[in-house]
Amino acid sequence: KNQVEQSPQSLIILEGKNCTLQCNYTVSPFSNLRWYKQDTGRGPVSLTIMTFSENTKSNGRYTATLDADTKQSSLHITASQLSDSASYICVVPNAGNNRKLIWGLGTSLAVNP
Amino acid sequence: EAEVAQSPRYKITEKSQAVAFWCDPISGHATLYWYRQILGQGPELLVQFQDESVVDDSQLPKDRFSAERLKGVDSTLKIQPAELGDSAMYLCASSFGGSNYGYTFGSGTRLTVV
Repeated sequence: KNQVEQSPQSLIILEGKNCTLQCNYTVSPFSNLRWYKQDTGRGPVSLTIMTFSENTKSNGRYTATLDADTKQSSLHITASQLSDSASYICVVPNAGNNRKLIWGLGTSLAVNP
Repeated sequence: EAEVAQSPRYKITEKSQAVAFWCDPISGHATLYWYRQILGQGPELLVQFQDESVVDDSQLPKDRFSAERLKGVDSTLKIQPAELGDSAMYLCASSFGGSNYGYTFGSGTRLTVV
């Protein structure tokens, strides 16, 4: 079954600290993996898209990694800011089923002062 | 930066009433999606358009929901009659060429049915 699982479910860190969010997927065949940030009451905003050949991609203070062999991805946030408080969602298209997006349940991150 | 426009931003309606949401995708994006997101859950695809044609509406409750994209540009999602369980965030997203490309989401319409 095509699934996307994220951990931890929730995380609280202090402003300025780093954190790493995990995403494991069983979607096959694999084409790409996306990380979205979703603020409460807002639509998701794309952070990165990782393709099969990419191991690491950075977007400002966000760095995503992908290990296609172990089907794992991580999102590392450095020097966290209060505005980083949001839900971070890992999404993988199901390449064989009309390319529907398989959504993880997200990690809820709270950055405290 | 180009955005997906959605309106209204918030909508409160009584059950059994009709409600409609509007979405204007990024110019040139052929693929348009409507998602429903219940609080605390991931978005659920309701309907996918490629230009003006419906590609996937398998999860759309067709007895009460309808969607159209007549000219292959903006789109309308309608619910008639609304039920209490329809309370959710309704998200529109567009993509240049399908799921291998990035999606851009609108800010959504928060629907509350009372």
